[in-house]
Amino acid sequence: DAGVIQSPRHEVTEMGQEVTLRCKPISGHNSLFWYRQTMMRGLELLIYFNNNVPIDDSGMPEDRFSAKMPNASFSTLKIQPSEPRDSAVYFCASSLERGVPNEQFFGPGTRLTVL
Amino acid sequence: QKEVEQNSGPLSVPEGAIASLNCTYSDRGSQSFFWYRQYSGKSPELIMFIYSNGDKEDGRFTAQLNKASQYVSLLIRDSQPSDSATYLCAVNFGLTGGGNKLTFGTGTQLKVEL
Repeated sequence: DAGVIQSPRHEVTEMGQEVTLRCKPISGHNSLFWYRQTMMRGLELLIYFNNNVPIDDSGMPEDRFSAKMPNASFSTLKIQPSEPRDSAVYFCASSLERGVPNEQFFGPGTRLTVL
Repeated sequence: QKEVEQNSGPLSVPEGAIASLNCTYSDRGSQSFFWYRQYSGKSPELIMFIYSNGDKEDGRFTAQLNKASQYVSLLIRDSQPSDSATYLCAVNFGLTGGGNKLTFGTGTQLKVEL
């Protein structure tokens, strides 16, 4: 079975441009998580969905960031407009939650560079 | 604010030795604890999880949990060069801490030397 799929794997863009990151969770998983990882701040949770519904978006840094999950097999994280400080690796993870937190499976990540 | 603390390292151990990685967390109500391994340039992968006080062993890995002291550790026996990676401690703070989400520490870099 395929793991979590993310695209693109690398993205280089200029400040002010819109960036859209995509994620396909593992089939059958009902929770999806977006993380950002930098050397300075480590791995930070941005937002997570349960059964396609956003549960906690307290980690979204500001209004420039938005995330959607239109169905159980697809999610997007959008940054508009992008800024150099958004440069990081963005991970998507999914899990099957049965009342207790379960293993989260991470995708390969998208390395974003904003010039 | 719910926090997870780890020493960033690097922690250097000789091949064959025991590596001990430590993590403290801020909330006594925390319910579950996870150790992830992350190789450079790769995504995190789960090594172990533990819910109850005491030790949990899986092969060369042992997770230890002490809820009274708010402390969780990972022991790696017979360390191998392939164990060289960053180890991330993650904590679920329970319903008061945001449901199913995990809060990660910044990780400890382990180097196993030949």
